[in-house]
Amino acid sequence: GESVGLHLPTLSVQEGDNSIINCAYSNSASDYFIWYKQESGKGPQFIIDIRSNMDKRQGQRVTVLLNKTVKHLSLQIAATQPGDSAVYFCAENPGSNYKLTFGKGTLLTVNP
Amino acid sequence: KAGVTQTPRYLIKTRGQQVTLSCSPISGHRSVSWYQQTPGQGLQFLFEYFSETQRNKGNFPGRFSGRQFSNSRSEMNVSTLELGDSALYLCASSPQRAGEETQYFGPGTRLLVL
Repeated sequence: GESVGLHLPTLSVQEGDNSIINCAYSNSASDYFIWYKQESGKGPQFIIDIRSNMDKRQGQRVTVLLNKTVKHLSLQIAATQPGDSAVYFCAENPGSNYKLTFGKGTLLTVNP
Repeated sequence: KAGVTQTPRYLIKTRGQQVTLSCSPISGHRSVSWYQQTPGQGLQFLFEYFSETQRNKGNFPGRFSGRQFSNSRSEMNVSTLELGDSALYLCASSPQRAGEETQYFGPGTRLLVL
């Protein structure tokens, strides 16, 4: 469903640590998922995507894991850097309706 | 390729006025979607256009409308502005071909209604 009553979860990590950001999605019919990064004053930036026929996908320093049984997504960022500080959103596309439904977002803060 | 562009970037209006926001998609992208982002509600889908046709619409009042031109550029209009319409309005474009559904966002238009 739609995001309601936002209290933004936060994650604070040390530079060089690995970060894991979690997301629960709502629609079991969703077949496509995207992670976005949004820095202050900017629009969401595409990080990585995954289709429902996969359970893992890797990019540069990022890995997305999909668990359809419990409707859960996670984004793993390796060797987190200060430039990774931002709000991270997961988004789901419930099958060919051209609409993304976004999670509430997680604020990642990387301490030098 | 150039990214999604939105104009204006910032806008201040008063209650009751109307506003038109513009979006130019990435070259070759035929789908344009609009989203509203507020601290209280997060990112919410407004509508999506493809080849000048609205294919999907979110749960917003009729004061919110949009259109798409033959060159894929899109505009959205909000009439009779209310204080609660203050938000960041984001446009996203996508090829919307099989296997290419990723939506790429512009920087947004920040609207303040006084």
